[in-house]
Amino acid sequence: DAGVIQSPRHEVTEMGQEVTLRCKPISGHDYLFWYRQTMMRGLELLIYFNNNVPIDDSGMPEDRFSAKMPNASFSTLKIQPSEPRDSAVYFCASSLGQRGTGELFFGEGSRLTVL
Amino acid sequence: AQTVTQSQPEMSVQEAETVTLSCTYDTSESDYYLFWYKQPPSRQMILVIRQEAYKQQNATENRFSVNFQKAAKSFSLKISDSQLGDAAMYFCAYLNYGGSQGNLIFGKGTKLSVKP
Repeated sequence: DAGVIQSPRHEVTEMGQEVTLRCKPISGHDYLFWYRQTMMRGLELLIYFNNNVPIDDSGMPEDRFSAKMPNASFSTLKIQPSEPRDSAVYFCASSLGQRGTGELFFGEGSRLTVL
Repeated sequence: AQTVTQSQPEMSVQEAETVTLSCTYDTSESDYYLFWYKQPPSRQMILVIRQEAYKQQNATENRFSVNFQKAAKSFSLKISDSQLGDAAMYFCAYLNYGGSQGNLIFGKGTKLSVKP
């Protein structure tokens, strides 16, 4: 079975541009998470969904960040406009929630560089 | 609020030796899960080992084992017969049992180097 699939793997953009990161969770998983990883702050939970519904977006830094999950097999994280401080690795993860073991399955991450 | 602390930013071990990574956590809950995740240079986080708080027996997965001390709120990871492929960032994580999956809390990580 395929794992969590993220794209793009690397993204370099200029300040002010729109960035869209994509994620396909593991089939059958009902939770989806977006994390951001930086050296300074470590792993930060940005937002998570349960059955496609956003449950907690308190980790989203500001209004420039938005996330959607239009169906069970796809989610996007959008940054508009992007800023250099948004440079980080963004991870998507999925899990089986209460029916599972608590384990999160992570994608390979999208490394974003904003110049 | 729960917290997870990894006090060792970096550790080093000789190949074939044993190393222990430390993790402490703070919670008022009695039922929870604890995890160790490995993040190799390829970046993908991989679950190494999992422990349920209600189980007294320490979890073991091949060369990886934990020392779970519930009263002390300590959850260390022991890697035996270290291999070059064990070099990675290791994250300790906490999750309330029955809690929202969003409440998975990570420590800052420990970078493990393995010397040949």
